[in-house]
Amino acid sequence: QVQLVESGGGVVQPGRSLRLSCAASGFTFSTYGMHWVRQAPGKGLEWVAVIWFDGSNKFYADSVKGRFTISRDISKNTLYLQMNSLRAEDTAVYYCARESGSGSYPDSWGQGTLVTVSS
Amino acid sequence: SYELTQPPSVSVSPGQTARITCSGDALPKKYAYWYQQKSGQAPVLVIYEDSKRPSGIPERFSGSSSGTMATLTISGAQVEDEADYSCYSTDISVYHRVFGGGTKLTVL
Repeated sequence: QVQLVESGGGVVQPGRSLRLSCAASGFTFSTYGMHWVRQAPGKGLEWVAVIWFDGSNKFYADSVKGRFTISRDISKNTLYLQMNSLRAEDTAVYYCARESGSGSYPDSWGQGTLVTVSS
Repeated sequence: SYELTQPPSVSVSPGQTARITCSGDALPKKYAYWYQQKSGQAPVLVIYEDSKRPSGIPERFSGSSSGTMATLTISGAQVEDEADYSCYSTDISVYHRVFGGGTKLTVL
């Protein structure tokens, strides 16, 4: 079955960088788009970024555009989120999610990794 | 930026029908999707393309959409349905995706 396992979260100071990873298994990674979605403590879900199945297109939420970069390594079945110039408001659980093969929506999710931006 | 608006909370008694709304200007042209998230867990898709139910989701969950509003209906809500429910859609360009603010459903 589909398995998505995020890693790389932790405590980081404002202005620093962090890279999250998402290891995918149980499906053909190279044929699916992938998302990052985050959830600040006690808040709702916030879509962060999407990358197309072949990496040809990437789109970002306005709140992270220019600071975050989504990428994928097909050879490693891994999705990444490079987060630069981190702010306190980036503190959240970050989920990776697979995009449905039939529409522009996440259909399977990982369990998330917590990123805390604090001095 | 595009926004989807949901009520913060809905409360029903067990066995009653719960309705959660989601409003957005692009909904007449774009599908709505619904996710259930129980405390400490990852979201789970319960409705896709306005009204379709993924396999394994109980029949009491249904969805509809009319004009700028989509609705998630839980007929005969059960205590185990208590969770946060979020709608999701895309803006007209499809480049940007968005979640509603989430609705906390209490079944008590």
